Amino acid sequence: DAKTTQPTSMDCAEGRAANLPCNHSTISGNEYVYWYRQIHSQGPQYIIHGLKNNETNEMASLIITEDRKSSTLILPHATLRDTAVYYCIVRVGGTGANNLFFGTGTRLTVIP
Amino acid sequence: GAVVSQHPSWVICKSGTSVKIECRSLDFQATTMFWYRQFPKQSLMLMATSNEGSKATYEQGVEKDKFLINHASLTLSTLTVTSAHPEDSSFYICSASRQGYAGELFFGEGSRLTVL
Repeated sequence: DAKTTQPTSMDCAEGRAANLPCNHSTISGNEYVYWYRQIHSQGPQYIIHGLKNNETNEMASLIITEDRKSSTLILPHATLRDTAVYYCIVRVGGTGANNLFFGTGTRLTVIP
Repeated sequence: GAVVSQHPSWVICKSGTSVKIECRSLDFQATTMFWYRQFPKQSLMLMATSNEGSKATYEQGVEKDKFLINHASLTLSTLTVTSAHPEDSSFYICSASRQGYAGELFFGEGSRLTVL
């Protein structure tokens, strides 16, 4: 699976949009971009994933560049509960893949 | 959404004892479950892949005789840390894949093990 690069940490004011970038310049054509987050002392939580089109769900939006070498996770109105480590992962879609490589992620701190 | 539950959520044990952690998929059948370990301020590291009805596949550097994995049913996988030592203290997390969910993994709440 392709590796990703994310900033170590970011701050965001409560109520503002949080934009978390991710570089994945070696992504293959059949690899999806997944985002998970981990709140302190909890298991990771799935947020969103996409292949090449932008995606939106009730939690966030995912913007993938046309060349697919980078993406941005957008939390439209960050709350204090969004403080967590956010992991960008690229991997082949479908079940059965046995190594979800988490990397170091971005520690997002939402500030009151 | 799909729910994966772990038990216990935390456990403290004496050095030399064995500890069993359970991972259950509550509302779906999981033919494959994964076990991760996470040390403080570090990312998750895959330990092993647990397949229902067959032997687990361990990642390089993970001792299979120390971390016993059993996946006897489609909804339950267990991780037993045998003869635990203080260096085994960690946050253990399981996850399960669900057919039809395009590679999305569902994670348990995690189990924090402290070995005295």
